[in-house]
Amino acid sequence: ETGVTQSPTHLIKTRGQQVTLRCSSQSGHNTVSWYQQALGQGPQFIFQYYREEENGRGNFPPRFSGLQFPNYSSELNVNALELDDSALYLCASSPRTSGTYEQYFGPGTRLTVT
Amino acid sequence: KQEVTQIPAALSVPEGENLVLNCSFTDSAIYNLQWFRQDPGKGLTSLLLIQSSQREQTSGRLNASLDKSSGRSTLYIAASQPGDSATYLCAVRIYNQGGKLIFGQGTELSVKP
Repeated sequence: ETGVTQSPTHLIKTRGQQVTLRCSSQSGHNTVSWYQQALGQGPQFIFQYYREEENGRGNFPPRFSGLQFPNYSSELNVNALELDDSALYLCASSPRTSGTYEQYFGPGTRLTVT
Repeated sequence: KQEVTQIPAALSVPEGENLVLNCSFTDSAIYNLQWFRQDPGKGLTSLLLIQSSQREQTSGRLNASLDKSSGRSTLYIAASQPGDSATYLCAVRIYNQGGKLIFGQGTELSVKP
């Protein structure tokens, strides 16, 4: 069984640019969540997707947006990058039928904004 | 607003010691609580999940307890090993917010040989 995968592993962008991060869910999982983890901090919830629709959002501005595809993979898009967007971006998938909502995390994408 | 706090922020112990990591949360109306391990620059590995109706969960040398009324959870690690060195994060899920997790800032554990 393949776990959650994310691409790319590392990324360097310039302030003002746009970036797209990708996530492939674990097999059989139809819900995807994205988190931002700044250095030395715990992850912060960005949003969650279920059945290709946003299903909950944290305190992040609209320039953070996402997509979920019919195969349950997902993208996180960030426009007008700021220096504070530098962080580890984590994707997590879960089976909707799980009564625990337990999430399985990918290895993350390290984004550096210069 | 739910807030999760972990104390201490960092901990260094000699190999073989038993240790306890603490997690507190401000709102007792949680759905469940999960403990994770994170190695430097890596993703999160789930260690234990405790439902709100449970008091504890065990896996190998790990034991996690939950006291909802006091807003506390502890992660007990028995006979610590250098391979246990990592950051340990606790996170809570709130009712009616699906899978959203609210994390503490983590405890960085170093086990010295």
